[in-house]
Amino acid sequence: NAGVMQNPRHLVRRRGQEARLRCSPMKGHSHVYWYRQLPEEGLKFMVYLQKENIIDESGMPKERFSAEFPKEGPSILRIQQVVRGDSAAYFCASSPWTEGSPLHFGNGTRLTVT
Amino acid sequence: KNEVEQSPQNLTAQEGEFITINCSYSVGISALHWLQQHPGGGIVSLFMLSSGKKKHGRLIATINIQEKHSSLHITASHPRDSAVYICAVRTKTSYDKVIFGPGTSLSVIP
Repeated sequence: NAGVMQNPRHLVRRRGQEARLRCSPMKGHSHVYWYRQLPEEGLKFMVYLQKENIIDESGMPKERFSAEFPKEGPSILRIQQVVRGDSAAYFCASSPWTEGSPLHFGNGTRLTVT
Repeated sequence: KNEVEQSPQNLTAQEGEFITINCSYSVGISALHWLQQHPGGGIVSLFMLSSGKKKHGRLIATINIQEKHSSLHITASHPRDSAVYICAVRTKTSYDKVIFGPGTSLSVIP
């Protein structure tokens, strides 16, 4: 049973380009969480999704950022018109249900904006 | 004041020493995670606790729900234990929102 898969591991984008980060949860997991870790800072919640639903996006910047978790396929975190301040590690975690279930983390995508 | 705090922020230990990292929180929780992150690496969940104590190898985690406090202990520390240790709580909201502590950076010197 493969763990949470994130790709790419490293992503370099120029300012103004779009970044697409993918997260395939563990098999059987229908809950996906995205977190961001800025350089020298701790992890911060961004968004929580279930299949085809955004449950909580209170941690997402109001502009340029969006997330989806379609019925089929991975969850996508999309950042439009990237800026240098978007450079960070983006982690995805999944769980089979919510209350009381363990979280399983991916290895993260390290985004560098040049 | 942060909802989840950890101490110490940084810790340097000699190989073989007994290490304790503390976590205190101010919100109601359904569970608490201890996570490990190596430099440039992914995040590994070490423990999930809702009460009492858990042990895995040289690692021990305890939680006191009444005092809103948890500790992570490492016995006979080793340089490969060098990492950032993060306390994360699952809050009692309509769903399990996770709040992370700032992390404790541990360096174990041979």
